[in-house]
Amino acid sequence: KAGVTQTPRYLIKTRGQQVTLSCSPISGHRSVSWYQQTPGQGLQFLFEYFSETQRNKGNFPGRFSGRQFSNSRSEMNVSTLELGDSALYLCASSFDRSSYEQYFGPGTRLTVT
Amino acid sequence: AQRVTQPEKLLSVFKGAPVELKCNYSYSGSPELFWYVQYSRQRLQLLLRHISRESIKGFTADLNKGETSFHLKKPFAQEEDSAMYYCASQRRGSTLGRLYFGRGTQLTVWP
Repeated sequence: KAGVTQTPRYLIKTRGQQVTLSCSPISGHRSVSWYQQTPGQGLQFLFEYFSETQRNKGNFPGRFSGRQFSNSRSEMNVSTLELGDSALYLCASSFDRSSYEQYFGPGTRLTVT
Repeated sequence: AQRVTQPEKLLSVFKGAPVELKCNYSYSGSPELFWYVQYSRQRLQLLLRHISRESIKGFTADLNKGETSFHLKKPFAQEEDSAMYYCASQRRGSTLGRLYFGRGTQLTVWP
């Protein structure tokens, strides 16, 4: 089974721009979560999607948004990028909402200049 | 709010020595607890979860509710154990999605 895939793997953007990151979960997995990883704050939960609906949201500003499609693929969007948004963005999938095991993708490294 | 604390940012041991990575959690209920590992240039992966009581790659972790701890132990460390280890919690009974991670401990096992 193919693992969780994330595209693009690396991205460089300028302050004020917006960015969209994509995540394809493991086939058959219906829950997708997003995390931000930075040296200063560690791993922080962004949001979780299941059945195309956001089920949980972390403490991030409204500039961070996401969505999930009917095939469980998910995208997250960050608008009006700030320097502090530079981070590794990780996507994780799990079979359903009662499953405690999350499988992580390799991440998208976003650099904001 | 749930909090997970890993007091050691860095930990070094020699091959064959015992190793213990500390993790404390703060949550009034009974959370699900996990250890995730990230080897160099690899993705984050689940090492073990407390409810399964498994021993993975020789690692075990015992939940101590009195001390609210979930320390990871291995009696004889190997060089291939060198990695970043994250302790994480999730509220038991709640739906999936929100893992609370500690800051991680970088384990180095010297030959």
